[in-house]
Amino acid sequence: GDSVTQMEGPVTLSEEAFLTINCTYTATGYPSLFWYVQYPGEGLQLLLKATKADDKGSNKGFEATYRKETTSFHLEKGSVQVSDSAVYFCALSDQGMRFGAGTRLTVKP
Amino acid sequence: SQTIHQWPATLVQPVGSPLSLECTVEGTSNPNLYWYRQAAGRGLQLLFYSVGIGQISSEVPQNLSASRPQDRQFILSSKKLLLSDSGFYLCAWSVVQANSPLHFGNGTRLTVT
Repeated sequence: GDSVTQMEGPVTLSEEAFLTINCTYTATGYPSLFWYVQYPGEGLQLLLKATKADDKGSNKGFEATYRKETTSFHLEKGSVQVSDSAVYFCALSDQGMRFGAGTRLTVKP
Repeated sequence: SQTIHQWPATLVQPVGSPLSLECTVEGTSNPNLYWYRQAAGRGLQLLFYSVGIGQISSEVPQNLSASRPQDRQFILSSKKLLLSDSGFYLCAWSVVQANSPLHFGNGTRLTVT
C-alpha cells in the first residue's frame, strides 16, 4: 500500500541554518503530497502541498518540490528561526491521507 | 470560515472505564471526518474515517469505536479503556474532493492509569 518515509529526528539546528528534512513515498497512483507542522500541544496544521509532479509548494519560507523520478518531497528552508521548532510530518493523499513518522526540529538561538 | 472543535483537551481515566471524545465542525457541510491517534514519539495512526452520517470505516481493529450521529459531529468511544489507549487523539475534517488537505482540531491528550 501507499506509504511515506521521512528522515528520523530529532534535528537540532542553530538559528539561520539551512534546513532539509527528507521525505520519500511509495504509491501506486498519483498522490498529492503534503507537509504538516505540529507545534507543542497542538494539532497539525497544513504547511504546504503539491498536487502533481514538478509542482513546488511553498509557505512561510519553506519549500518542497514533488519529484516523481525520485519519489521524493523534501522540505527545505534557507534560514530557520527559533519559532520553527516543531514536529514536521510528510504525508500523501491518494486513497486517504497517510503520514510519515514525523521529524522533530529544534532551533537554538 | 470553517472551524473544528475537539474536547476535552486533556483526560485522565482509569483502566476499564468508558471513553467518549467529541468533535464538531462548523462552516462546512458533508465533510469527511477522521480520528487519528498519535502515540508518544510516533507518527499518526488513522483509526476511523467517515464520508457521511452513519458511515464509519475502521482502519485498525481495537477496542475503540466511532459514530457520526450528525453531519458535522464525530464521536470516538470505548466501553473499557486499556493502558495502551493512552495517546494524543486528533480529529480532522476535509472536503469531499479527492486529495484535499486535512484540517485538524487541537487534540485530546488521554492518559489511562
